[in-house]
Amino acid sequence: GAVVSQHPSWVICKSGTSVKIECRSLDFQATTMFWYRQFPKQSLMLMATSNEGSKATYEQGVEKDKFLINHASLTLSTLTVTSAHPEDSSFYICSARQPGEQYFGPGTRLTVT
Amino acid sequence: AQKVTQAQTEISVVEKEDVTLDCVYETRDTTYYLFWYKQPPSGELVFLIRRNSFDEQNEISGRYSWNFQKSTSSFNFTITASQVVDSAVYFCALLDPGANSKLTFGKGITLSVRP
Repeated sequence: GAVVSQHPSWVICKSGTSVKIECRSLDFQATTMFWYRQFPKQSLMLMATSNEGSKATYEQGVEKDKFLINHASLTLSTLTVTSAHPEDSSFYICSARQPGEQYFGPGTRLTVT
Repeated sequence: AQKVTQAQTEISVVEKEDVTLDCVYETRDTTYYLFWYKQPPSGELVFLIRRNSFDEQNEISGRYSWNFQKSTSSFNFTITASQVVDSAVYFCALLDPGANSKLTFGKGITLSVRP
């Protein structure tokens, strides 16, 4: 099956710094990618939908200036958490869409100290 | 609006017991997809099954089986002869097709299988 990778798998950063998370579709082209956030013992919450070559569409309540998404190519989307705070600590999961299918990356665990 | 309800939050069973995880969904679309995912402690989502709205046949895959009933908007998942390795969080999800369509997740069910 299709594979989606994320890098890094975990990251610890200091409050106020920015962190970039990469999401790649390894063996297919994805015109649409999605970014989810999952807090402990909770479900996945969609943050934004990313289309190649255009601006991301953010869900209500998600700050677009804080969570910068760039979908520069058909195989790569990046999420940058700017000026991270401890409350941004979470598990971030990306997924890539093919018609009728959605493949998930392994997730990135972000801890902000 | 789409909604997925997983009323059970935590289930604990003893190994070899059968267990059914419930999923009820709401959608106004006539065409949609239903999914089950497993999330072990590592965090990575494992795809288990996809079912489209026009296929109401039940499916069996090894110890796993799924019962899709449009009349009750349910898509229940049964694990037969559960094993410790089945311990995980299980999510049911609903997808309506179309551009930028979104996958709606239920809250998940934490299954613990005790030896």
